[in-house]
Amino acid sequence: AQSVTQLGSHVSVSEGALVLLRCNYSSSVPPYLFWYVQYPNQGLQLLLKYTSAATLVKGINGFEAEFKKSETSFHLTKPSAHMSDAAEYFCAVTVNAGNMLTFGGGTRLMVKP
Amino acid sequence: ETGVTQTPRHLVMGMTNKKSLKCEQHLGHNAMYWYKQSAKKPLELMFVYSLEERVENNSVPSRFSPECPNSSHLFLHLHTLQPEDSALYLCASSQEGTGDTEAFFGQGTRLTVV
Repeated sequence: AQSVTQLGSHVSVSEGALVLLRCNYSSSVPPYLFWYVQYPNQGLQLLLKYTSAATLVKGINGFEAEFKKSETSFHLTKPSAHMSDAAEYFCAVTVNAGNMLTFGGGTRLMVKP
Repeated sequence: ETGVTQTPRHLVMGMTNKKSLKCEQHLGHNAMYWYKQSAKKPLELMFVYSLEERVENNSVPSRFSPECPNSSHLFLHLHTLQPEDSALYLCASSQEGTGDTEAFFGQGTRLTVV
């Protein structure tokens, strides 16, 4: 079975600062990895996904993530935070064609002016 | 209508009531899912339907009853719920076949059991 751990349930950064949200996974087979964002009272929106092609994945809104097999990590970064980035971010993994996602606990990103 | 649509957006129900949540996807996908999102708990997969057949039921109590009449519609029938069932219920769809296709989520139904 696969699992996902997101370190830090809350992260606070200043506007313009680097955003780093951490995700570590556990899987016995090559995983597919996803980052989703959830704004208040909304569903989940895909930011980016890793599908065994390039290890550095670029997503929407200036976010990117790097798959590091040796570290079993898939951390999400953005060079410069914007106020509109304040939301909850979820890392997820699946290993089969059923697309049954296993989610991490989520990280709430707060952006200070 | 595009994407995944859930109705109602908000629902308040008593413990003896019977209600249903509805999900509709306009993406031509062949798999649909119900997830439960509670405060301070990770998103939990409840049910999976693939080609209109249930393929996963993660030990969900029988007071939750899913129905998938066709590939575009998914229901969650609720009866005799408990206050701890209050949560955001999210529906998602995807195209099953390769693990690299993402799931698309609806905006959720905020359920409050009183």
